[in-house]
Amino acid sequence: EIQMTQSPSSLSASVGDRVTITCRASQGIANSLAWFQQKPGKAPKSLIYATSRLQSGVPSKFSGSGSGTDFTLTISSLQPEDFATYYCQQYITYPFTFGPGTKVEIK
Amino acid sequence: EVQLVESGGGSVQPGGSLRLSCAASGYIVSDHHTDWVRQAPGKGLEWIGRTRNKARGYTTEYAASVEGRFTISTDESKNSVYLQMNSLKIDDTAVYYCSRSPNGNIEDVWGQGTLVAVSS
Repeated sequence: EIQMTQSPSSLSASVGDRVTITCRASQGIANSLAWFQQKPGKAPKSLIYATSRLQSGVPSKFSGSGSGTDFTLTISSLQPEDFATYYCQQYITYPFTFGPGTKVEIK
Repeated sequence: EVQLVESGGGSVQPGGSLRLSCAASGYIVSDHHTDWVRQAPGKGLEWIGRTRNKARGYTTEYAASVEGRFTISTDESKNSVYLQMNSLKIDDTAVYYCSRSPNGNIEDVWGQGTLVAVSS
């Protein structure tokens, strides 16, 4: 099973800040990496698949990069609606596995 | 509008069974893979299984934590996917989500989730 880690586990940021979250896989996953946003009491929302491809309707302030084992999600200018928990997921090998999440809080 | 609606959650005793439904609208469920993901209270996301689309023979994959106890199936006539859960354990307590995974994409649309509570 591929293990996914994320750093930091939480962060505090201000509106307008640029935020970067890192995701690392225990073995190479090519570009089979997705990012999800989840707000309390809500279903996850898909943001990015294939490392850097935005899902339809996702604003361009979200971007993803990386390959192999190391990946990043960047939010270019944090807005109030972006405060949430973010998860990465590998989907190259079953079972698909999620990272533990990064909680983005208001400073 | 593409939409998924889960139902069938509830309270059950350890060792019991439950069947969750995932009703799709706005697309044909047999055209795409469907994943099930769960989230225990206060915890992160856990992928638990997939049914591939009709073209791939509705073949399935499961996480080790549910293999042999959970079964995913598809009913084309109801445009729905089901998660049959047997031999339930307290650790299966979670919100269960279904999601659509088109070819080349992953879990692009999610349902609202349904809560399963296993307790004695």
